[in-house]
Amino acid sequence: EIVLTQSPATLSLSPGDSATLSCRASQSVGTYLAWYQQKPGQAPRLLIYAVSNRATGIPARFSGSGSGTDFTLTISSLEPEDVAVYYCQQRSDWPSFGGGTKVEIK
Amino acid sequence: QVQLVQSGAEMKKPGASVKVSCKASGYTFTNYDINWVRQVPGQGLEWVGWLSLHSGSTGYAQKFLGRVTITRDTSLTTTYMELDRLGSDDTAVYFCMREVRQWRRANDVWGQGTLVTVSS
Repeated sequence: EIVLTQSPATLSLSPGDSATLSCRASQSVGTYLAWYQQKPGQAPRLLIYAVSNRATGIPARFSGSGSGTDFTLTISSLEPEDVAVYYCQQRSDWPSFGGGTKVEIK
Repeated sequence: QVQLVQSGAEMKKPGASVKVSCKASGYTFTNYDINWVRQVPGQGLEWVGWLSLHSGSTGYAQKFLGRVTITRDTSLTTTYMELDRLGSDDTAVYFCMREVRQWRRANDVWGQGTLVTVSS
C-alpha cells in the first residue's frame, strides 16, 4: 500500500496570502496524483489531476506541481471560500489518500 | 448533467449488512470505472473498493476483503456496495466516485454520500 503524508495538518492564513500544501508518497506514484477540496457537509471536489492539470471550472489560483514522491498544491491568493480540507490521492496502485490539510482564514 | 445519486441514510444493528446504491446519469455508464470510499465523521477518506463498469472486474482494500462486494446493474446504470458483518466502527459516510482513466484515474464526479450508522 502506498502511504501519502500531508503537511501541515492545519494552515492558518489571511485572505490574499499564498498557501502551500505538501503531499509526500512512500514510493513513486509517477503522475498519478490528484488533489481534492472538501468543505463541511459536502462531498470532495476534484481540483487537480495528473499532478498539475486543473479540473473543469477550477480557478487559476489553484496549481499543482511535483514529481515522483513529492507534490505541492498552491493556492496563489487565498479567498474566504477556500476554507476547506484538502486531500491528495494517488492512483499508481489501488487508491489511497493523504490525511488532509485544513486551511483556515485568520 | 453528469451526476451520481446515492441511496438514503441507513441505520443498522451490529452484525447486519448494508447495501448502498449509486445511480449514474448524463454519461455512458460503461466508459468509466467506479470507486467507493468512506469517511468516518471528522476523519479522512478511506478507499473501500473499485469496479470496472465495462468488465465487471473488482478490487477491494485489504481491510475489507471478504466483507465487501461491489456490483453493477448496467440496465439501471447503478452500482452497489454491500458491506457485511457491520460493526460500530463502520459508521461512516460512504461515497461513490467516477474514475477517469484519461486523467490518470482521478475521480471527477462524486455522489452526495450515504450515512451508514451502526448501533445497537
